[in-house]
Amino acid sequence: EVQLVESGGGLVKPGGSLRLSCAASGFTFSIYSMNWVRQAPGKGLEWVSSISSRSNYIYYADSVKGRFTISRDDAKNSLYLQMNSLRAEDTAVYYCAREAISGQPPQWGQGTLVTVSS
Amino acid sequence: DIVMTQTPLSLSVTPGQPASISCKSSQSLLHSDGKTYLYWYLQKPGQSPQLLIYEVSSRFSGVPDRFSGSGSGTDFTLKISRVEAEDVGVYYCMQGIQLKWTFGQGTKVEIK
Repeated sequence: EVQLVESGGGLVKPGGSLRLSCAASGFTFSIYSMNWVRQAPGKGLEWVSSISSRSNYIYYADSVKGRFTISRDDAKNSLYLQMNSLRAEDTAVYYCAREAISGQPPQWGQGTLVTVSS
Repeated sequence: DIVMTQTPLSLSVTPGQPASISCKSSQSLLHSDGKTYLYWYLQKPGQSPQLLIYEVSSRFSGVPDRFSGSGSGTDFTLKISRVEAEDVGVYYCMQGIQLKWTFGQGTKVEIK
């Protein structure tokens, strides 16, 4: 069974940093691209960042470019999101998600809440 | 980036009546592998999004058959044949053909 478990969320002051982790199991993590998606309170779903297998391709939403860094450790079956210079508008539930491939829909974790507030 | 446009943004439905949501993409979602990477999610109040439909028309495991998806290329539709009270929430379409996923704005469905 595919499982994605996020951790690392919490309360942080504006300008602070936080590192989210996503532990993957139940599939061959190294061959899949991975994503971070977030949802601010009362808002829609927003794609944040993607990283391809072997980390060849990395993309960021304009809203986080230069502040967030996505990475992966295939030996640990883990995905990360380093978030720096956090702003109030970064407050959201952050979801880790596996890419969709033919016949296999995307898989999402349950999310971890990040709150940026003084 | 691919823009996903959903209509309507809200829907009030009498139980037992049908409902339909449209989703249009700014580019074709048909991949060279022959699959179309269009998904439908339902986010019930206080819950994480749950997958309803993948690759336009395939129902995910456990999804009732009153939900169906159709469409091709850039135009897609989610239909609920007979809305039930448990179907309330926000419905999102999502494209997965690009690594940079994009979502529709969401359609809020409520029961009359």
